[in-house]
Amino acid sequence: RKEVEQDPGPFNVPEGATVAFNCTYSNSASQSFFWYRQDCRKEPKLLMSVYSSGNEDGRFTAQLNRASQYISLLIRDSKLSDSATYLCVARMTTDSWGKLQFGAGTQVVVTP
Amino acid sequence: DADVTQTPRNRITKTGKRIMLECSQTKGHDRMYWYRQDPGLGLQLIYYSFDVKDINKGEISDGYSVSRQAQAKFSLSLESAIPNQTALYFCATSDRTSSTDTQYFGPGTRLTVL
Repeated sequence: RKEVEQDPGPFNVPEGATVAFNCTYSNSASQSFFWYRQDCRKEPKLLMSVYSSGNEDGRFTAQLNRASQYISLLIRDSKLSDSATYLCVARMTTDSWGKLQFGAGTQVVVTP
Repeated sequence: DADVTQTPRNRITKTGKRIMLECSQTKGHDRMYWYRQDPGLGLQLIYYSFDVKDINKGEISDGYSVSRQAQAKFSLSLESAIPNQTALYFCATSDRTSSTDTQYFGPGTRLTVL
């Protein structure tokens, strides 16, 4: 079983609409969580960290549910430029280093 | 100029050949990593290094070796390439003083082993 599981999608979203998707993690020892964005055939880049209280960065909102062991990402007012694969990432420790577990990604396609 | 560079960007080779992928960074980070990415799978850690004298195996190190020639350079070798090593390879760096250990990835090397 993969440690971080994501719906691969694609999620087809009309421009301006809202899209949300989750990822689940299996290791309850996971402490830190992140969303990375990966454009087609490009390198992943950090989109945002996910905090226990939930956090927002512009049109992006991330939530963490430790009881059910899932993380969510919501994108409001989708732009064509939001089309990408979103990678969910879990880290097992809050120490200065802990191995990252990457999900396989959820593809989002924003259409005009 | 890119902060993390990888060479070559694309490589096609034959089974049994020795291949070296190189990574350089100008970010001044002490930590460097090699990952591979396969369709339908998450990034998998091959090796990581916290400084020039520190090399650690990741979750899929078999068939690979690395060399940290300097703080800014971290190379990955496939001693005898096999077809199931066909993948997209990423080098990454991070700063040990970062609370999030944000990974900064290079542009990737697409390797095909025939």
